[in-house]
Amino acid sequence: AQSVTQPDIHITVSEGASLELRCNYSYGATPYLFWYVQSPGQGLQLLLKYFSGDTLVQGIKGFEAEFKRSQSSFNLRKPSVHWSDAAEYFCAVGAEPGGGADGLTFGKGTHLIIQP
Amino acid sequence: DAGITQSPRHKVTETGTPVTLRCHQTENHRYMYWYRQDPGHGLRLIHYSYGVKDTDKGEVSDGYSVSRSKTEDFLLTLESATSSQTSVYFCANQGQGNNSPLHFGNGTRLTVT
Repeated sequence: AQSVTQPDIHITVSEGASLELRCNYSYGATPYLFWYVQSPGQGLQLLLKYFSGDTLVQGIKGFEAEFKRSQSSFNLRKPSVHWSDAAEYFCAVGAEPGGGADGLTFGKGTHLIIQP
Repeated sequence: DAGITQSPRHKVTETGTPVTLRCHQTENHRYMYWYRQDPGHGLRLIHYSYGVKDTDKGEVSDGYSVSRSKTEDFLLTLESATSSQTSVYFCANQGQGNNSPLHFGNGTRLTVT
């Protein structure tokens, strides 16, 4: 069965500092990997996805993520955070882009707090 | 833009009553999903649909049923609501093409008292 671990429940970062959110997954084959962001009271917005090819993927809002098969990781990074980045971030894995019969498996989320 | 509208946005209901949540998409996407979001659990798949009248169960389908009589509408029904079904419910669709990811609606917050 596939699973996703986001080890950090909360992370606090100063505005302008760099950010890295960790994601480890368990999946038997080559996974489809995603990062979503959720602002309070809103749905999930796709930040970026990895399907195949280049292991460093660029997303919206200046985010990037790197797929490391040897470490079963897909960490999200941003060089300089803005106060508007404060939100909940979810990593997800699936057998297909939409998840198919098993759906996407989501991590429990990391709550990002931005300090002024 | 996923073009997904969920209704209602908020609902409070009593234990034992039936509840139906609606998901409407403006696109003609074939795949649609219902997830629930609970603190400490992330999102979990309830049911999904791969076309009109074609649906299947997800990880946490007990106590839920779905219907898809039109491409644009995907309904989630709680036959007899329980307090454990208090949650935020998200509908998602998958765009056309093999490499299309999920896009989510803004959710329905359901409270069962």
